[in-house]
Amino acid sequence: EAGVTQSPTHLIKTRGQQATLRCSPISGHTSVYWYQQALGLGLQFLLWYDEGEERNRGNFPPRFSGRQFPNYSSELNVNALELEDSALYLCASSTGTVRRNTIYFGEGSWLTVV
Amino acid sequence: DQQVKQNSPSLSVQEGRISILNCDYTNSMFDYFLWYKKYPAEGPTFLISISSIKDKNEDGRFTVFLNKSAKHLSLHIVPSQPGDSAVYFCAADTYNDMRFGAGTRLTVKP
Repeated sequence: EAGVTQSPTHLIKTRGQQATLRCSPISGHTSVYWYQQALGLGLQFLLWYDEGEERNRGNFPPRFSGRQFPNYSSELNVNALELEDSALYLCASSTGTVRRNTIYFGEGSWLTVV
Repeated sequence: DQQVKQNSPSLSVQEGRISILNCDYTNSMFDYFLWYKKYPAEGPTFLISISSIKDKNEDGRFTVFLNKSAKHLSLHIVPSQPGDSAVYFCAADTYNDMRFGAGTRLTVKP
């Protein structure tokens, strides 16, 4: 069974540009979560999608947005990139109906803003 | 706002000894707590969890203790093995919100 897959693995953008990161959840999972891990910091919660709807949002500015598609895959968009957006972006998925000890992470997408 | 705190960024122990990783939280709405382990270049993997109705949960070499009155939990690894060397994240969960600590890097020396 395939795990959570994320693309691209690495992405380099210049300040002011937009970045799009993609995530495919484990088959059968309906919930997708996005986290940011900046250098030296923990996992900061960004967004939670379930059944195509945004269920919760972390303390990030509106230029961080995303969506979930009918096949439950998701994308994270970061507009007007700033240098401090450079981080590892982790996607996770779960069935959405059970306690989230079943949350499974992908390997992440490294975003570098120069 | 840092609702989940891991105040020790790193911990070094000798192989065979006990590793104790600590975590504090501030939000009393959290009712489920988890530990994740992360190796370099990999996503975090679930390790062990505990519900707020319990004060201890054990799984092999790993035991998690919860002290609700102190809003504190800890992960004990006994005996520690070199393969346990990784970054450990504490997480606290309500139904619609899971928050992580900053992580503790554990190094187990042979």
